[in-house]
Amino acid sequence: AQSVTQLGSHVSVSEGALVLLRCNYSSSVPPYLFWYVQYPNQGLQLLLKYTSAATLVKGINGFEAEFKKSETSFHLTKPSAHMSDAAEYFCAVQSGGGADGLTFGKGTHLIIQP
Amino acid sequence: NAGVMQNPRHLVRRRGQEARLRCSPMKGHSHVYWYRQLPEEGLKFMVYLQKENIIDESGMPKERFSAEFPKEGPSILRIQQVVRGDSAAYFCASSPPGGVATTYEQYFGPGTRLTVT
Repeated sequence: AQSVTQLGSHVSVSEGALVLLRCNYSSSVPPYLFWYVQYPNQGLQLLLKYTSAATLVKGINGFEAEFKKSETSFHLTKPSAHMSDAAEYFCAVQSGGGADGLTFGKGTHLIIQP
Repeated sequence: NAGVMQNPRHLVRRRGQEARLRCSPMKGHSHVYWYRQLPEEGLKFMVYLQKENIIDESGMPKERFSAEFPKEGPSILRIQQVVRGDSAAYFCASSPPGGVATTYEQYFGPGTRLTVT
């Protein structure tokens, strides 16, 4: 069984400030990990993925995430927030190497203050 | 290259009616997944299909829900005798077939928002 916990259903940061969205996972096998972003009334867009290669993963729109096995974490960061980053962010886990369905966290709503 | 397509985007049904949601995967993709997003909740996996086969339906409700992915045409998620609790956004995702260096990343469609009145 696998699960994902996203700490903080809402995170608010000022424009230009560091963005940190937390994700912890549990998995009985080496996981593949993903971050997706969802804008209002739209589908999910893949930001980045970890698939057992480099532990620091760079994605689109300036986001990156670091896989830390010892902490079972995959936190998402961005050095400087833009107003356009306001959205819902989902962390997801998948059994490593498989084509299984994704297990998602409940999401974090990112609010950008001007 | 067109992305994952879903239709309709919005669907209103009265209690007791049937809802049919369609999903056309990205070109070259042979794996289809359905997820449900309820208000204030994350996405929940429902079913994973390949052409003419259901691979994993562990997330599907036991009654009223069914899914198919025929040899020709889109994947269909069918909900019979809808109830108000079925109101949600239903997302389809697709991924490429297996092979060397395949990571099975899933690409999502825009979703179908089902409202049951």
